[in-house]
Amino acid sequence: QSALTQPPSASGSPGQSVTISCTGTSSDVGAYNYVSWYQQQPGKAPKLMIFEVNKRPSGVPDRFSGSKSGNTASLTVSGLQVEDEADYYCSSYGSDNNYLVFGGGTSLTVL
Amino acid sequence: EVHLLESGGGLVQPGKSLRLSCAASGFTFSVSAMGWVRQAPGKGLEWVSCISYNSVFKFYADSVKGRFTISRDNSESMVYLQMNALRAEDTAVYYCAKGGLMTGYAYTDWGQGSLVTVSS
Repeated sequence: QSALTQPPSASGSPGQSVTISCTGTSSDVGAYNYVSWYQQQPGKAPKLMIFEVNKRPSGVPDRFSGSKSGNTASLTVSGLQVEDEADYYCSSYGSDNNYLVFGGGTSLTVL
Repeated sequence: EVHLLESGGGLVQPGKSLRLSCAASGFTFSVSAMGWVRQAPGKGLEWVSCISYNSVFKFYADSVKGRFTISRDNSESMVYLQMNALRAEDTAVYYCAKGGLMTGYAYTDWGQGSLVTVSS
């Protein structure tokens, strides 16, 4: 069960947009539209931000959006705010033999 | 409001066992798939195990297969993780989470976590 590949860090200034990538394989990200994104603030539990590639749970600002192309999914945060500074993790379903796999996480800094 | 509360963590010696519990409230537990996700100190998230609403389907990460067992009690709204033959690399905060196929394999709600430390 190999982890999905994310850049370790990303950054942007308030008001700007930033995109975080999540690369998997044709057996997970590329095979299913079951990519999720989580935000984790220091010392807190993760919070679901995006599910099924591009759907936002109730209460998540529409500044957060998701997409997928081939084996790579992306999370875009528009209109960056200071409170968006956190770690972001992607995950994907990968069939019964590789049920769920997470990315290594990306630390987002809002400069 | 969904509430998940883990308990049972602590310090345990290598090779020993520990059972984590997760008390759920605020939603219809008996129709919800549940899972466990862990996070080693300073590291990323790692999926551990999940169980279907009716306990028919159970899945495990390769790293814990054969050592960990997930179970649930729908009458008590509880989910458990029995951890045997613990290793130092099992040291982590263990999160109980709600979700499965019906939520696109996304975990919609998480507990606050329970720290398990495996050390002699």
